[in-house]
Amino acid sequence: NAGVTQTPKFRVLKTGQSMTLLCAQDMNHEYMYWYRQDPGMGLRLIHYSVGEGTTAKGEVPDGYNVSRLKKQNFLLGLESAAPSQTSVYFCASSLMLGSYNEQFFGPGTRLTVL
Amino acid sequence: AQTVTQSQPEMSVQEAETVTLSCTYDTSENNYYLFWYKQPPSRQMILVIRQEAYKQQNATENRFSVNFQKAAKSFSLKISDSQLGDTAMYFCAFMNPLFFGNEKLTFGTGTRLTIIP
Repeated sequence: NAGVTQTPKFRVLKTGQSMTLLCAQDMNHEYMYWYRQDPGMGLRLIHYSVGEGTTAKGEVPDGYNVSRLKKQNFLLGLESAAPSQTSVYFCASSLMLGSYNEQFFGPGTRLTVL
Repeated sequence: AQTVTQSQPEMSVQEAETVTLSCTYDTSENNYYLFWYKQPPSRQMILVIRQEAYKQQNATENRFSVNFQKAAKSFSLKISDSQLGDTAMYFCAFMNPLFFGNEKLTFGTGTRLTIIP
């Protein structure tokens, strides 16, 4: 049981390049989330998904797109990277039902845009 | 919108001592959940403790306990008998699960805790 995994762990991009971050979970969770973490700002929600085939915008969605074609995978895409997108990106997942939804986090991806 | 405030950017304490991290939040909701997450240098986010707002009893998990003051909208974390492995960033987080699809965490800006040998 690997939990939540993220690929890649590190990446350096040039301005204008595109890339996709992959998040995978093996816990059969319905909900998945993408956050970014910047110094002094905590974690902020980019996009989230409440189930296969559905996505929704979070707090800071501009410049990102997501897809949830399979229940276990949640992809975060940057079509044209900008230096402002330099950050650490975390994926998380949680169960749909229950009195509360504990979110389980992946190890993060450190992205630098030059 | 909910907001979470952690007013202590950094703290340090001697090993074996007790330390309390502060967190306040703002919401108009009555039913919600509060969490403390730990982020060690490895970057992995780890759930430390959680509190349901409808429960008056403060949550405890071994050396970790909270002081939940609903009326004051305060949610502090107490770490007893601190250990070197407690060195990490600690994030307070809020969740309002009232609406389907609304189970999103709002995080504070974090407190960097250093345990001194």
